Amino acid sequence: ILNVEQSPQSLHVQEGDSTNFTCSFPSSNFYALHWYRWETAKSPEALFVMTLNGDEKKKGRISATLNTKEGYSYLYIKGSQPEDSATYLCALNSNSGYALNFGKGTSLLVTP
Amino acid sequence: DAGVTQSPTHLIKTRGQQVTLRCSPISGHKSVSWYQQVLGQGPQFIFQYYEKEERGRGNFPDRFSARQFPNYSSELNVNALLLGDSALYLCASSIGPGNQPQHFGDGTRLSIL
Repeated sequence: ILNVEQSPQSLHVQEGDSTNFTCSFPSSNFYALHWYRWETAKSPEALFVMTLNGDEKKKGRISATLNTKEGYSYLYIKGSQPEDSATYLCALNSNSGYALNFGKGTSLLVTP
Repeated sequence: DAGVTQSPTHLIKTRGQQVTLRCSPISGHKSVSWYQQVLGQGPQFIFQYYEKEERGRGNFPDRFSARQFPNYSSELNVNALLLGDSALYLCASSIGPGNQPQHFGDGTRLSIL
């Protein structure tokens, strides 16, 4: 089992604020890093799969960066909206490539 | 296109019973993974199947088993249920294993009394 840590555990921001979360993971045996958004009463939605050191990916107001040498990834949300309220999960593929090892997630609440 | 479908959505069992959960992947997806999620934790990997063969197994007891059928659908079986097996069981499908994004179903909520 690979130790994937996410911080903060929860976050409460106002509409329009920009915010970011951190995912830390062991840098050895890295294969891929996944980000998911999980809204209440829905299924987890894939946001990004990142494989290369220095990767930056963007989807609308959400972007992510990856540093495999130091073992962390940042997720950024620009101009948060209430519909961004969800739990954001990161998950690590090890060298085997099969299992996703999830962190506990960051719970984001955006209020108007 | 239909997403990943899981059945049943909710299930109540008693200790010692056995349960079978079902998953139909997205059309064209050949890999199915199973995860267990308990409150306050991220999903925990149970199994992955690809092309009907087990390709990975998480740290779960032998009471947990799974299989994948020729149409790539999958079943997760849990025997001798314990109170601690109460959780949300998620199925995810992907085109293949490795660094492909996994697409999740809505899950089966299993409650053990």
